[in-house]
Amino acid sequence: AQSVAQPEDQVNVAEGNPLTVKCTYSVSGNPYLFWYVQYPNRGLQFLLKYITGDNLVKGSYGFEAEFNKSQTSFHLKKPSALVSDSALYFCAVRDTSGTYKYIFGTGTRLKVLA
Amino acid sequence: DGGITQSPKYLFRKEGQNVTLSCEQNLNHDAMYWYRQDPGQGLRLIYYSQIVNDFQKGDIAEGYSVSREKKESFPLTVTSAQKNPTAFYLCASSPGTVSTEAFFGQGTRLTVV
Repeated sequence: AQSVAQPEDQVNVAEGNPLTVKCTYSVSGNPYLFWYVQYPNRGLQFLLKYITGDNLVKGSYGFEAEFNKSQTSFHLKKPSALVSDSALYFCAVRDTSGTYKYIFGTGTRLKVLA
Repeated sequence: DGGITQSPKYLFRKEGQNVTLSCEQNLNHDAMYWYRQDPGQGLRLIYYSQIVNDFQKGDIAEGYSVSREKKESFPLTVTSAQKNPTAFYLCASSPGTVSTEAFFGQGTRLTVV
């Protein structure tokens, strides 16, 4: 079965420091991977995706993600965190077995401390 | 503006009542999805539809029903059979291609009173 794991419930980082939010996946075939951000009582906003090609993907608001096929990981990164980055982050994989569902991780709460 | 609209934003349900959550999109997307969000559990798929007049159960379909009579609309009914309906419900849509991301509505918070 295809799945996504976000091993950290919460990540704390000081403002101005680099941040990493971890995601690992399990899929059959080529992975289609996504990162979303959610602010309180709002829907999910798309940040970036990996489909094919360059392993470093750049997205919105200065975020980027590194795809690592051997480690089956797709970690979200940002060189310098802002307090306004504090939110809930979800990693997702597209089911390519025929249903094309999006399968989400349990989410990681990012807290950026001033 | 193109987008996906969920209504109402807040909904209160009495025990034993059915309620319907609205989801409308004007993005011309073929696929639509309903997710339930509970703290610490991420997003769980309730139902999805890849095309008009067709839909499939997701991981937690019991106590819910949907219809897809129009491409732009995918309403979710929370029935009295759903024993713990208090949650945040998210609707999403996507085009037919596998490489595209899903677009989400702003959610409906349902509370049982």
